Amino acid sequence: EAGVAQSPRYKIIEKRQSVAFWCNPISGHATLYWYQQILGQGPKLLIQFQNNGVVDDSQLPKDRFSAERLKGVDSTLKIQPAKLEDSAVYLCASSSRTSGNNEQFFGPGTRLTVL
Amino acid sequence: AQSVTQLDSHVSVSEGTPVLLRCNYSSSYSPSLFWYVQHPNKGLQLLLKYTSAATLVKGINGFEAEFKKSETSFHLTKPSAHMSDAAEYFCVVSDRPSSASKIIFGSGTRLSIRP
Repeated sequence: EAGVAQSPRYKIIEKRQSVAFWCNPISGHATLYWYQQILGQGPKLLIQFQNNGVVDDSQLPKDRFSAERLKGVDSTLKIQPAKLEDSAVYLCASSSRTSGNNEQFFGPGTRLTVL
Repeated sequence: AQSVTQLDSHVSVSEGTPVLLRCNYSSSYSPSLFWYVQHPNKGLQLLLKYTSAATLVKGINGFEAEFKKSETSFHLTKPSAHMSDAAEYFCVVSDRPSSASKIIFGSGTRLSIRP
């Protein structure tokens, strides 16, 4: 079974530029999560999708971050414009159901550096 | 509001000795609790989870954790450390059974193993 795929693995941009990350969850997983992991900290949930609907985006900085999962499968997270403090690893995870007691399967992450 | 506190940012033990990684939580509901491990340059992997069944939970690689409601703790233990256990460990709390469960990661504990 293929795992969660993310691309790119690394990205370096200058502040005020825009960037997009892509995630393809495990086949059949209805729930998809985007996390931000700043160096030395635990992952912080940015947004949670159930199929193509948003379940929780309370910690997503909506003035600059956006995410979509139009067909309920793969997802894109965008930052526009980027700030220095957005430097982090962006993790995508998926699970078979929305309920919080289900295991999440994580992708390898995208490491973003904003100069 | 829910939260999770990992009491030690770094734990160092000798190979073959016991491991104890401490985690305390707070939750307004009956929580689900997880431990994830993150090896360098690898994705997060589930070690074990508690979802209101047995309070002593056994996971992979010889790890186990005990849910103690009276102490609001979910400490991770292993009787004998192995060099391959060196990694970052995250305690995670999630409200249940809400479909929009809040998922909170602790700040992580880095486990080092001395030869």
